[in-house]
Amino acid sequence: AQSVTQPDIHITVSEGASLELRCNYSYGATPYLFWYVQSPGQGLQLLLKYFSGDTLVQGIKGFEAEFKRSQSSFNLRKPSVHWSDAAEYFCAAAGSNDYKLSFGAGTTVTVRA
Amino acid sequence: GAGVSQTPSNKVTEKGKYVELRCDPISGHTALYWYRQSLGQGPEFLIYFQGTGAADDSGLPNDRFFAVRPEGSVSTLKIQRTERGDSAVYLCASSTSGLHTGELFFGEGSRLTVL
Repeated sequence: AQSVTQPDIHITVSEGASLELRCNYSYGATPYLFWYVQSPGQGLQLLLKYFSGDTLVQGIKGFEAEFKRSQSSFNLRKPSVHWSDAAEYFCAAAGSNDYKLSFGAGTTVTVRA
Repeated sequence: GAGVSQTPSNKVTEKGKYVELRCDPISGHTALYWYRQSLGQGPEFLIYFQGTGAADDSGLPNDRFFAVRPEGSVSTLKIQRTERGDSAVYLCASSTSGLHTGELFFGEGSRLTVL
């Protein structure tokens, strides 16, 4: 069955420190991959997406993600977090002929001063 | 407004009652999606509209759930005989042309609580 797994439920990071959020997928073929952020009182916002090509993808707000086929992973990174990065982050995937996103359960990020 | 608008933002109802949740997508977006997000979970697909027709309703959990989009713009998600297990945040998203060529824009959601 197709699925997206985010192994970390909650991560706490100090402001200015680096952040990495893990995402693994299980699909028959390489899916299209996405990262979304959900801040309190706001809708889901797309951070970045990977369809093909360069495996290192740049997104908004200083985020990047790296696609690794051998590990079936699409981890999200940010070199230096800001207090405003505290939010819930969702990894999502869709088959190349699909129009439905499958989401992971999400990782909540807390930023401490 | 500029974004996807969902009303009501919060709805509390009693078990067995009927509920309607409304989604007003971004103007001109032909694709519209409904997702459901339960506590501690990621959003789960419910239904996808392309224009006025439901292209895929395979995510609707049972026949108590129904959604319409009569004029290809506003959509209403209807839940009959609500159950406590229906409590969740219902998310609506719209897109110009679907997932692969356009970005999905999500509303803030309608939080449904069934007592």
